[in-house]
This record gives sequence, structure tokens and C-alpha cells, in this order.
Amino acid sequence: QLQLQESGPGLVKPSETLSLICTVSGGSISSSRYYWGWIRQPPGKGLEWIGSMFYSGNTKYNPSLKSRVTISVDTSKNQFSLQLSSVTAADTAVYYCARLVDSYGSYYFDSWGQGTLVTVSS
Amino acid sequence: QSALTQPRSVSGSPGQSVTISCTGTSGDVGGYNYVSWYQQHPGKAPKVMIYDVTKRPSGVPDRFSGSKSGNTASLIISGLQADDEADYYCCSYAGSYTYVLFGGGTKLTVL
Repeated sequence: QLQLQESGPGLVKPSETLSLICTVSGGSISSSRYYWGWIRQPPGKGLEWIGSMFYSGNTKYNPSLKSRVTISVDTSKNQFSLQLSSVTAADTAVYYCARLVDSYGSYYFDSWGQGTLVTVSS
Repeated sequence: QSALTQPRSVSGSPGQSVTISCTGTSGDVGGYNYVSWYQQHPGKAPKVMIYDVTKRPSGVPDRFSGSKSGNTASLIISGLQADDEADYYCCSYAGSYTYVLFGGGTKLTVL
């Protein structure tokens, strides 16, 4: 059974870079059927897609965050990561990693991590 | 690009049916059959309930169904149960620039 687990600091200072890792178990990150992505949810608010990445390196980013986001993959560790630069309090959110099915006429997030709360504060 | 539009809240009694709408544009909901719906209980990760407008993942009760007309997609929940009380989010593919849009979420209350 596929499992995704986010890890990283729960507190980041304003203007610094938020860094998270998602470790995938129970399946290979190097599958041709899937993208791997990040979605966030500010406290009490809705979901916002951040970006997704194919194992080969092809990335897709939310245009509103694109200038600050980098998603990368480490196939040897079956992990992918998120970096969000120049953070402000508005970036405080629960960050989820998720698998995106993007093949055979389907497009949806079929597996999610449990989420990790990242607070931006000095 | 703006989020997809959902009602803030809906409610129904046990056994009844409710419909949650999700309105977008021809550039997202109306242009592709890639609408999915997610259920989120408090403090939990979202769970896919419907994908590709009408398809149901294995394990999701057939009380959950989806449809689409023009730029509006709908999630229909029949035979409401107490455990259906949750937040529901729609999501759509939005083309090769925006890629993914979520709705603002709808809180379902089972009376």
C-alpha cells in the first residue's frame, strides 16, 4: 500500500526558505503514470496546489507561486522535496504531498500524506 | 486564475440527498473531463471520492456520484450518513499554464 510522509521544520522565519521532503513507500517514484506534488492549506482555509513533478524532472508550478517554488526529486531515495523561498506569514499552512495520476485519460490526486504544519514566524 | 466556486455550506438530514456544485469556466471545468472531488474530515488529509467527473475509486460507497453540465460540476451524496459530515473540495485540470485549480470548499452538515 502506497504511503507518503512529509518531514521538515515546523517553524520557519520570515524571508527564509521553507524546505520539506516527502518520502514515498510501498511504490516507486519512478513510475510513468504519476506526477508527485505539493498542496497546502492555510489554517481554516481551502486547498491550494503548489506544484507537481515527474520523476524525470518535468515540473509544473502554480503560476502565483512559480517565482518562489522549486520541486525536485531524488529517485535513489524515493523522495521528492519542496523549497519555497522568501516566506511570509501568508505561507503558514499545512503542507501535503500527494501523488497525481496523470495518464490513461485520468487526472486526480489518489494518495496523500498526512500533512505537516509549517508556521512562519520570527 | 481564481479558485473554482463552491457554496460555503450545505446541509441535509440522515437518509436525504444533497448536491454540491462547483462552477468554473470553459478553461477548466467546462473544457476537460478532469473534475475530482475530495472529502476532508477535521485534522485529516483529503480523500478522493470522485475522479474524472463521474468515476468512483474502489472502496467509495455508490452513494457518492458526480456529474457535469457546461462549466458546473456536481457531487451528489444520497442516503446521507453522519460520517458524511466533512468538508468537500472540487478540483479541475485547468490547462497547460494553470494546471490545477481547487474549489474553495463546502462544509456539509448532517442535521
